[in-house]
Amino acid sequence: DAKTTQPTSMDCAEGRAANLPCNHSTISGNEYVYWYRQIHSQGPQYIIHGLKNNETNEMASLIITEDRKSSTLILPHATLRDTAVYYCIVRALGGYNKLIFGAGTRLAVHP
Amino acid sequence: SAVISQKPSRDICQRGTSLTIQCQVDSQVTMMFWYRQQPGQSLTLIATANQGSEATYESGFVIDKFPISRPNLTFSTLTVSNMSPEDSSIYLCSVSGITNEKLFFGSGTQLSVL
Repeated sequence: DAKTTQPTSMDCAEGRAANLPCNHSTISGNEYVYWYRQIHSQGPQYIIHGLKNNETNEMASLIITEDRKSSTLILPHATLRDTAVYYCIVRALGGYNKLIFGAGTRLAVHP
Repeated sequence: SAVISQKPSRDICQRGTSLTIQCQVDSQVTMMFWYRQQPGQSLTLIATANQGSEATYESGFVIDKFPISRPNLTFSTLTVSNMSPEDSSIYLCSVSGITNEKLFFGSGTQLSVL
């Protein structure tokens, strides 16, 4: 699986948009970009994934650059409950393709 | 999304003993995985639990230390054998649905070894 690079930590004010970047310059054509988050003492939670088009769901938006070498997860109106570690992972679909976690970005949302 | 139940949610064990962690899913799933999360660290994949056959272990993990069973499509166990304090971690079960598009995680088992 391709490796990803994320900032170690970020801060965001409550109510503002949180933009979390991820670099995946060695991504393969069949690999998707996945985002998970882990709130303290809980298992990781799926947020969103995409191949090359931008994606949006009730939790977040995913913006993937045209060359697919980087992406940004956007939480449009961050709340205190969004404080968590956010993991960007690249993964191909298929029966035995695993999720390999990197270090992630620790996002702190403050009042 | 699948509902995943892990038991126990936490345990404190003595050095040299073994603990078996159970993972039960409310629907049939294709893939089941076991992860370890050491204090302050990210998740590390231990193995893929294969139904009806031996698990597939990642580098650095061996069957003698972490035996895994998966007797059917909704249940798996992970045993942490001959425990030492270095085994103190959160152990998480993960499953993927029929399409294998998303993986879902249990809430984990917090293990402390004295």
